[in-house]
Amino acid sequence: QQPVQSPQAVILREGEDAVINCSSSKALYSVHWYRQKHGEAPVFLMILLKGGEQKGHEKISASFNEKKQQSSLYLTASQLSYSGTYFCGTASGGTSYGKLTFGQGTILTVHP
Amino acid sequence: SQTIHQWPATLVQPVGSPLSLECTVEGTSNPNLYWYRQAAGRGLQLLFYSVGIGQISSEVPQNLSASRPQDRQFILSSKKLLLSDSGFYLCAWSVSPGGATGELFFGEGSRLTVL
Repeated sequence: QQPVQSPQAVILREGEDAVINCSSSKALYSVHWYRQKHGEAPVFLMILLKGGEQKGHEKISASFNEKKQQSSLYLTASQLSYSGTYFCGTASGGTSYGKLTFGQGTILTVHP
Repeated sequence: SQTIHQWPATLVQPVGSPLSLECTVEGTSNPNLYWYRQAAGRGLQLLFYSVGIGQISSEVPQNLSASRPQDRQFILSSKKLLLSDSGFYLCAWSVSPGGATGELFFGEGSRLTVL
């Protein structure tokens, strides 16, 4: 079942912060975050694994609440380059071979 | 370094015509391969994945099929396209095994418009 992302869209000015949430109705093994610029392929941002391990960019932070089956992506001091659509992808098993189920996306627009 | 290529980048096809999208990966061996589809303004939907040559798993019943004739080649096909097949098709790979714990590397995408 598809995870639910909120909000659907965010508009910021440079330097402002944003939080994007991802919620699943299923128990999760890992949560993945990707950013997609218009007309381009998604680009990996971060993975959060059950048990607390994280892999990703140093300037982007995220949290993973395993009990609540929720994850949040924190974008601080936003830059123009942060604009794009953010997707969370969830995996329910450690051997699901990248079979991620993606949310519907959150459109982030950063203005000067 | 590893690279992934998809072609064609853009395709306009009439309803009922066949389809073939190709994806190749370089610089890695025995990758897991995936086909995702993104309808306009929507998220990514997994269509097929493969853990080895000739091994294809379908996630969504439809008139599309996938094949993996070589270790680093993944092909998406259709015998007769429907209007609903329009979308942005993305090929991706991940290290095998452990896709759930690793990064997906996406190709540039193929934009298909069925008229």
